[in-house]
Amino acid sequence: DAMVIQNPRYQVTQFGKPVTLSCSQTLNHNVMYWYQQKSSQAPKLLFHYYDKDFNNEADTPDNFQSRRPNTSFCFLDIRSPGLGDAAMYLCATSRDLVNTEAFFGQGTRLTVV
Amino acid sequence: AQSVTQLGSHVSVSEGALVLLRCNYSSSVPPYLFWYVQYPNQGLQLLLKYTSAATLVKGINGFEAEFKKSETSFHLTKPSAHMSDAAEYFCAVSAGTSYDKVIFGPGTSLSVIP
Repeated sequence: DAMVIQNPRYQVTQFGKPVTLSCSQTLNHNVMYWYQQKSSQAPKLLFHYYDKDFNNEADTPDNFQSRRPNTSFCFLDIRSPGLGDAAMYLCATSRDLVNTEAFFGQGTRLTVV
Repeated sequence: AQSVTQLGSHVSVSEGALVLLRCNYSSSVPPYLFWYVQYPNQGLQLLLKYTSAATLVKGINGFEAEFKKSETSFHLTKPSAHMSDAAEYFCAVSAGTSYDKVIFGPGTSLSVIP
């Protein structure tokens, strides 16, 4: 059974048109992460939530926002997608920030046209 | 600060041959180390992790890795490659126990030749 679910698996959006990616979890984990992974590169952490506390990485562009309305769901909002934002977006969860491991969803591949 | 290097962006092995994927790390504090596997258009799956217990760590799918502090290495091995092992492999390091500072290596793409 899938524990971290990302929808949709594939998303095509127009240049400059806001888009939202969704992540849900059945693990009841405290922490949810969003990573950006460009082709043939390592995942790059954008931000994470510890419960309701939002933690943004210093180099994450302002164009990227996130919402976590409850424990189970977390959203990634891209306000004005550019061609350079085309990537795989990975959601992950962990029970805590310490002495833990992350569980990843299958990712959403975003194409910007 | 932590960093991870993976020697060889692409490794090819014959089916049944030894798999060796190299990872070297740099960390200012005792690290936690991880190996993840990623199949095409999929998320990352944890293979194994080192958390300062036994230096030889056994993971899923027959993989294991050995932590060598003197060499700052955490190489991944499997005695006999299977076709289903073809994937991208990422080594990752975190600053001690804090997962929010995990740094991923650039990845190694493993091909298995029949």
